[in-house]
Parts: sequence; structure tokens; C-alpha cells
Amino acid sequence: QVRLVQSGTEVKKPGASVKVSCKASGYTFTNFDISWVRQAPGQGLEWMGWISTSYGKTNYAQKLQGRVTMTTDTSTSTAYMELRSLHSDDTAVYYCAKGGGSTSSGLDFWGQGTTVTVSS
Amino acid sequence: QSVLTQPPSVSGAPGQRVTISCTGTNSNIGAGYHVHWYQQLPGTAPKLLIYGNTNRPSGVPDRFSGSKSGTSASLAITGLQAEDETDYYCQSYDSSLGAVIFGGGTKLTVL
Repeated sequence: QVRLVQSGTEVKKPGASVKVSCKASGYTFTNFDISWVRQAPGQGLEWMGWISTSYGKTNYAQKLQGRVTMTTDTSTSTAYMELRSLHSDDTAVYYCAKGGGSTSSGLDFWGQGTTVTVSS
Repeated sequence: QSVLTQPPSVSGAPGQRVTISCTGTNSNIGAGYHVHWYQQLPGTAPKLLIYGNTNRPSGVPDRFSGSKSGTSASLAITGLQAEDETDYYCQSYDSSLGAVIFGGGTKLTVL
């Protein structure tokens, strides 16, 4: 069965960086994009971007350009999302999800979420 | 302020039918981009409920259905059950932004 397993809870100080991992299993990793979505406490879903797992092409949300980098390691079927220069409003649950580059199919499987808290 | 507009809340009695609207513009839904719907139970990741405007993934009950017309889309839930009480989000793509977009979310209350 398809599974996306994310890395654990992170607590960071303002200005630091965080790197969240997402290990996929149960399907051919390079056949589907990986998207990243975050959700601040009590708020809605915010799309952060996606990465083509076969080509490495990325598409980032404009507000995060310059601070976010999405990468993959196809040898381990793992996707990574690094966010730099953290500030308090980056406190959120971060999700990876299978899909994204195609506008017709939606995000059909999600990781369990990684809580990132930014606090001094 | 989300690009896709959803009502903050809707409600209905058990067994009734409710609809949740998702209103966009001519650069997203109106441009022909597909709409997807997600259900998010408290403390859990979103679950894909409807994809490609009207399609249900395997395992999603046929009580859930999606439709799209013009610059709007709707999620309908029939035979409302207590377990349906949670948050719902629509999602599409916006060509002006070059980005995936989500609605602000709708909380469904089963009375």
C-alpha cells in the first residue's frame, strides 16, 4: 500500500533552517510528483510547491521563493523540503503529498505531517 | 484571503443533503482547471475525497459527489452522518499565479 512517512517534530529558533523528509513506499517513486502543503495552527491549507521526482523540476509558491528548496533522493524514494530564515509565522504542520504536477489528479496520498515550531 | 472562496461553515441534520461551494475566477476554475476536494478530520492529514471535478477515489462513499459549472464548483454530501462533521477544502490551479490554490476551508456541522 502507498505510504508517505515524514520525519519527526522540530523546534527551531527564528532565523534557523529546517529540513523535513518524506519517505515514500508502495509505488514507483519517480512516476509521481511530490507536493508540500503546510497548515498553521487553526488555519487552512497552504500550498508550498511541488517537485518532479523524475526530472527534479520544481515549482514553488511565490511567497516562499528564495527560502524554500525541495529535493529528492531517488535511491531511497525520499523527498526533502528545506525552509530557511524561519520566523514565527512558519510555525505549522508540514505535509508531503503524492501528486501535484498534473492539474487533473489531486493529491491522493499524504504523509502524517511534521510539526515545526519556531520560537525563541 | 484565499483565491478560492468557500463558506466558513455549513450545517445540516442527519440524513439531509448539504452542499459546499467553491468560487473561483476565470484564471482558475473558469479556465477549465480541475477542482479537487479534501476532507480533514481533526489532527489528521487531509484525505482526497473528489478529484477531477467529479471522480471519487476508491473507498470514498457515493454519498459524496462533486460538480463544476463556470467559475464555481460544489461538493454535495447526501445522507449526512455524524462522522461527516469536519473540515472540507477545495483545490485547483491558477494560471495567473502559476500555483496550486486551496479554498479557505468549510467546517461542516451535523446538527
